[in-house]
Amino acid sequence: DVKVTQSSRYLVKRTGEKVFLECVQDMDHENMFWYRQDPGLGLRLIYFSYDVKMKEKGDIPEGYSVSREKKERFSLILESASTNQTSMYLCASSPSRRSGANVLTFGAGSRLTVL
Amino acid sequence: GESVGLHLPTLSVQEGDNSIINCAYSNSASDYFIWYKQESGKGPQFIIDIRSNMDKRQGQRVTVLLNKTVKHLSLQIAATQPGDSAVYFCAENMRTGFQKLVFGTGTRLLVSP
Repeated sequence: DVKVTQSSRYLVKRTGEKVFLECVQDMDHENMFWYRQDPGLGLRLIYFSYDVKMKEKGDIPEGYSVSREKKERFSLILESASTNQTSMYLCASSPSRRSGANVLTFGAGSRLTVL
Repeated sequence: GESVGLHLPTLSVQEGDNSIINCAYSNSASDYFIWYKQESGKGPQFIIDIRSNMDKRQGQRVTVLLNKTVKHLSLQIAATQPGDSAVYFCAENMRTGFQKLVFGTGTRLLVSP
């Protein structure tokens, strides 16, 4: 009954590497989101997308980019990973920007460690 | 295990007790609020929501109370069970352009048998 799937649960990368975090949802949702989760800081929005090929910056987009080539897939890209990007990354989706209620369905998370 | 809980306020209760988790939100214009539960190793899961035109909403064993005067939200869990042990987040929906959720930092609930 998995609805939002994050392809990698645990990753270890080196500083300067390019990192791809993949997320797929099977609910035909229009909106998709990437958050990072850090102790004491809660969930912070990195980027979101409300349509294919559309993207919007969230609160902390620096150092990240995203790609949404298909409705069901939203990728987070770290062009050159740094140690301060060590975190838990959560992908989420919601039905529609026109639906009003904005309940997010989350994936299980991808824990990234940058050495 | 996950490190998300290292710096969280913690509420410890006995099995069968009622639990109350509190949250202060930031924006008086927020129109919609959600409580999420996050178990270790999992993403947050929706528990219950409430719109700003309501003061109270009840679900199965859970009740959310909204006090707009002091911008306060609470989650009450009746007859708390060990399976309720998790981190609980409140989120407010801020109506600034595209609707987006802003999350609190979370509270860890520990339920002892």
